[in-house]
Parts: sequence; structure tokens; C-alpha cells
Amino acid sequence: DIVMTQSPDSLAVSLGERATINCKSSQTVLYSSDNKNYLAWYQQKAGQPPKMLIYWASTRESGVPDRFSGSGSGTDFTLTISSLQAEDVAVYYCQQYYSDPYTFGQGTKLEIK
Amino acid sequence: QLQLQESGPGLVRPSETPSLTCTVSGGSISSSSYYWGWIRQPPGKGLEWIGSIYYSGSTYYNPSLKSRVTISVDTSKNQFSLKLSSVTAADTAVYYCVSQPYTSGEKPYYFDYWGQGTLVTVSS
Repeated sequence: DIVMTQSPDSLAVSLGERATINCKSSQTVLYSSDNKNYLAWYQQKAGQPPKMLIYWASTRESGVPDRFSGSGSGTDFTLTISSLQAEDVAVYYCQQYYSDPYTFGQGTKLEIK
Repeated sequence: QLQLQESGPGLVRPSETPSLTCTVSGGSISSSSYYWGWIRQPPGKGLEWIGSIYYSGSTYYNPSLKSRVTISVDTSKNQFSLKLSSVTAADTAVYYCVSQPYTSGEKPYYFDYWGQGTLVTVSS
């Protein structure tokens, strides 16, 4: 199984500041045949199901604010929120779909400082 | 856009085999562009993929649960279902049904639509 490890486990950022969440996979999730990273990011607010934010490591889902961006390749990835808003308080998960079983990171809890 | 809605028993006894159903609306479960899956989340914990199914019946299962899981599809009702046998307290979780975009010849991708989830509590 591919193990996904996120850092930090929790993060407190001031409103309007940048938030950065890291995700590392135990093996590459970059397919050489199509040069795509099989990596997605999800946001889960309290009492709600997760919501997909980003897929293919850097493609924003329709309707997701452009303050959310994804980057990285191979085994190291980053989710960045450029200017934190109050509504961004949530737990964020990365997930690989390079191979089954599909696996998630443990989650990063983002709070307001 | 797709909407998914889970239904299930809520409270089950240890060793039972609960069945959960996901009803899909806003699209056809027989679409060639989607797999349909189940993910669970124990209270206060992270996400675990259980398995996924194509309308044709082709399945992928998490090896950690494969011996106890059966996922099936009913195209006439636009539904798919999950059965989990021999449940214990460790199976207490919110169970989500999800959709996975799919391209022929490849494996299913990310989880783009999620149901609201249904809590299954295993207790005597």
C-alpha cells in the first residue's frame, strides 16, 4: 500500500495569511506514461462530508476559490491557501489514486490563530 | 450534477452483516464514466476506502476488508450497495458513498461527489 503522510497534523494561521500543508507519499504517484500525478486534496468541515478541492495534484475543481492551489510532483506535494478566510477552517486530506488500495493522509487540522 | 444518498440500519449488533445502500440521482449509475465507491470514517478519525464497483459489476476492494465486503449494483434502481460481514465495534463509522471518474483501460480516479454519510454503530 502507498502510505500518505501529511505535515503538520495541525496548523493555526491568522486570517489573510498563507497556510501550507504538506503531503508525502511512500512511493511515486507520478505515472510516466501520462506525466500526471495521481494525487487529490479534500476539505472536510465539521459535520460535513469531504469535498474535493484539487485533483491531478494541481487542477482546481470547478467552483473552488483560486486562493487554493496544489503543487508538487512524484512523492512530495503541497496544498496552499494564499489568504486564509474564516470559512477555510477544516481538516484537509491528501489522497493517492495511483494504485489501489486508494489511501489518504491522516489529515491536517487548520484553525484560525 | 450527481447527488448520492446513503441509507442504512444505524445500529447493528456485533457479528451481524449490515447492508447499506446508495441512491444516485442527477445521473445514471450505468454511465461508462464512473465507478461507484464506499469510504468510511470512524468517529474522530481519518478516511478509509472500502471498495468500488462499475455498473458492469467489476469491483476493486481494499485488501484489509476484502474478506468481509461485498459491493453490488442495481442498475434498475440506480443504486449500489455495501454488505460488511461479521461486524465488530471497530466497524463503527460514518459510511460515505462516492463517485469516481473513470476512463476505459485505466483504474478509477479521485472521489468527486460524496453523499452526506450514514453513521453505523456496532453495539450489543
